[in-house]
Amino acid sequence: DAGITQSPRHKVTETGTPVTLRCHQTENHRYMYWYRQDPGHGLRLIHYSYGVKDTDKGEVSDGYSVSRSKTEDFLLTLESATSSQTSVYFCAITQTRAGENYGYTFGSGTRLTVV
Amino acid sequence: AQSVTQPDIHITVSEGASLELRCNYSYGATPYLFWYVQSPGQGLQLLLKYFSGDTLVQGIKGFEAEFKRSQSSFNLRKPSVHWSDAAEYFCAVGASGGGADGLTFGKGTHLIIQP
Repeated sequence: DAGITQSPRHKVTETGTPVTLRCHQTENHRYMYWYRQDPGHGLRLIHYSYGVKDTDKGEVSDGYSVSRSKTEDFLLTLESATSSQTSVYFCAITQTRAGENYGYTFGSGTRLTVV
Repeated sequence: AQSVTQPDIHITVSEGASLELRCNYSYGATPYLFWYVQSPGQGLQLLLKYFSGDTLVQGIKGFEAEFKRSQSSFNLRKPSVHWSDAAEYFCAVGASGGGADGLTFGKGTHLIIQP
């Protein structure tokens, strides 16, 4: 178990309000990712981090920002939520050992509804 | 840019019959390939992965996949499906090494099992 916890699990928010989703890991993995999942689109990368304070944009980063001030926490912020951001959000980590990539492990997801 | 195509949005298979889910990828370097399964309302579970070596890889729950470089394919197979295999299946490709840029997913194949 890679020890990934996402919070909250469910959230309903109003259009125009800020929202922050949290991803917490317990095993000191370097790489962390935020994806969103929408019907017919699979999972798409929003942002990723390759270390503390080191982040980069993914495929669908518009309207989102991230922060990583500690190794264990990766925060995703919607500065002003829109209905198009209603989705299921997954956090993931890459498990590496001795430089070898052993795959990606995903959290349980956060279901966000913007009304 | 890397991409993954899962040509079949839905597949219906009778319980006990064999299964093959197709996956084609586009990637500029040596790919890391993955198959994930997602049950309704759940997170993603890794079925199997290919990094290098033997092109036929075995996974959990009786699944296997074959990497064919010449066809840019990584098809998932199971000789006899069970009703509990009904789920959404995602193929994904990623970079080797340290996990930068994350995974690129296909749009998924929804597997329906008929009694």
